[in-house]
Amino acid sequence: EPEVTQTPSHQVTQMGQEVILRCVPISNHLYFYWYRQILGQKVEFLVSFYNNEISEKSEIFDDQFSVERPDGSNFTLKIRSTKLEDSAMYFCASTRGSSSGNTIYFGEGSWLTVV
Amino acid sequence: AQSVTQLDSQVPVFEEAPVELRCNYSSSVSVYLFWYVQYPNQGLQLLLKYLSGSTLVESINGFEAEFNKSQTSFHLRKPSVHISDTAEYFCAVSEMIYNQGGKLIFGQGTELSVKP
Repeated sequence: EPEVTQTPSHQVTQMGQEVILRCVPISNHLYFYWYRQILGQKVEFLVSFYNNEISEKSEIFDDQFSVERPDGSNFTLKIRSTKLEDSAMYFCASTRGSSSGNTIYFGEGSWLTVV
Repeated sequence: AQSVTQLDSQVPVFEEAPVELRCNYSSSVSVYLFWYVQYPNQGLQLLLKYLSGSTLVESINGFEAEFNKSQTSFHLRKPSVHISDTAEYFCAVSEMIYNQGGKLIFGQGTELSVKP
């Protein structure tokens, strides 16, 4: 069964450093997402991406965050200058689209620790 | 805007006992409803979803959920749980949109712990 893959599985970074989290969505999917889950809290929507542009973003997704689909297969989340409160599990997800009832498939997550 | 409330953060239960994980939502528009499961050290996996039609939906591993529009609920049930059902369960909603992908709004999650 096709799956969403994410790298790295775990990254430790110093506060103020830039981090790039990578994702390979399922190949025929058209909509891509990043969610995050701070330890002990709910899974929160960050951003959705379609047709090479952001289609929606949450208030969490401020100027420190950016997304890119550089080569037609990878989908990346960049955090420009990490803060302690960015420590979380970051999930990439994708769906075929066409209806919000389509299943959204999640990767296994990238655990980011900012020290 | 939508919101989801899972009333129980932790549910301990003995193996072979029945379980119900509660989920209530609020939304000013029609929504689709989902249950996702997160096994230890894994990502989120779709367990079941309600789109339309019969209000009772079932998963392949014995879970079922019933959509109750009047009570805005989508509780998850299983008549007899196994140790392997130990996981975190997330209820989620998505605004009903056509011709584009939606986003999921999650509840806080319920940790189901099945004891022998």
